[in-house]
Amino acid sequence: KNQVEQSPQSLIILEGKNCTLQCNYTVSPFSNLRWYKQDTGRGPVSLTIMTFSENTKSNGRYTATLDADTKQSSLHITASQLSDSASYICVVSALTGANNLFFGTGTRLTVIP
Amino acid sequence: NAGVTQTPKFQVLKTGQSMTLQCAQDMNHNSMYWYRQDPGMGLRLIYYSASEGTTDKGEVPNGYNVSRLNKREFSLRLESAAPSQTSVYFCASSPNVDTEAFFGQGTRLTVV
Repeated sequence: KNQVEQSPQSLIILEGKNCTLQCNYTVSPFSNLRWYKQDTGRGPVSLTIMTFSENTKSNGRYTATLDADTKQSSLHITASQLSDSASYICVVSALTGANNLFFGTGTRLTVIP
Repeated sequence: NAGVTQTPKFQVLKTGQSMTLQCAQDMNHNSMYWYRQDPGMGLRLIYYSASEGTTDKGEVPNGYNVSRLNKREFSLRLESAAPSQTSVYFCASSPNVDTEAFFGQGTRLTVV
């Protein structure tokens, strides 16, 4: 069964600290993996998208890694800011057409002063 | 360039009422999607339109209908709303299937 699991469910960190969010998936055949940021009351916004051949991709203070062999991905946030408080959603795409996106339930990150 | 625009942002319906959620994109994308987001669950695909003139069911289509009015617009209709349809609905678009999707701001629907 195609599934995407994220951990932790929620996380609280101090402003300025780093953190890492995890994503494990069983989606097959794999096409790409995406990380989205969703602010409260807003739609998800894409942070990174990685294909099978990419094992790391950065977007500012956000760095995503992908290990396609172990089917794991992580999102590392450096020097967190209050504006990083949001839900981070891992989405895995399978090679099977439009009905092919599998969403994790997200990690709720809260950055406190 | 507004991206993906959804209307309304909030709606309260009584059980059995009908309504249409509107979605428009100005990015000339071929593919459009409707998702629902419920607490503790990932986004779930209701319907999608891979290209203008086509629509297909997603994971949770029961109780919904869609219309791809033209390349820009993709509407979602609830014919007889039920409390189980209380959710946040997101419209998204992408250049083609399996490319990066851009989401609207969401419609928070409550059915009482």
